[in-house]
Amino acid sequence: AQSVTQPDIHITVSEGASLELRCNYSYGATPYLFWYVQSPGQGLQLLLKYFSGDTLVQGIKGFEAEFKRSQSSFNLRKPSVHWSDAAEYFCAVGARGSYIPTFGRGTSLIVHP
Amino acid sequence: KAGVTQTPRYLIKTRGQQVTLSCSPISGHRSVSWYQQTPGQGLQFLFEYFSETQRNKGNFPGRFSGRQFSNSRSEMNVSTLELGDSALYLCASSPSGTGEGNTIYFGEGSWLTVV
Repeated sequence: AQSVTQPDIHITVSEGASLELRCNYSYGATPYLFWYVQSPGQGLQLLLKYFSGDTLVQGIKGFEAEFKRSQSSFNLRKPSVHWSDAAEYFCAVGARGSYIPTFGRGTSLIVHP
Repeated sequence: KAGVTQTPRYLIKTRGQQVTLSCSPISGHRSVSWYQQTPGQGLQFLFEYFSETQRNKGNFPGRFSGRQFSNSRSEMNVSTLELGDSALYLCASSPSGTGEGNTIYFGEGSWLTVV
């Protein structure tokens, strides 16, 4: 079975600074990988996804993520964080042949002005 | 295209009562899944329905049940509510094909408070 770890429970950055949120997965083959964002009191919005091909994936709101097979990682990055990016971020991994992705525990992003 | 719609958005129930939550998936999506989200346990998978059949099930007691209708709309029911059932219940839908058909899209959720 697949699993996913988000090592950081909270991350604090200053507005305008760069951001990297870590995600490590465990799966025997190439997985499907997702990042979702959840604003307070809202559902989860899909930021980006990786299925195959180019390992650098561009998403919405200026986010990108890079799949690194050798490190079993799919870290989320943004070059300049805006105050509106403050939210909970979830990484998820899906196994080929499975319809249910496995979610990490989430990383809470705090943005200081 | 309209997103996943969940009703009601907020509700308060008394311990011992039952509750029914409704979910309308994105048009054309045939898979609907349900998740419970709490601060302590994070996002936990409840069950998934495809073509009116439960295809996957999480590790929840039998008090939690669901169903899917022929138009892919889904309902979940929780009977004999307990205080610990207070949570955000999220519905998600996907095309459920191969490859990128596995991408799931979430609704805004239903906030359930049990008092």
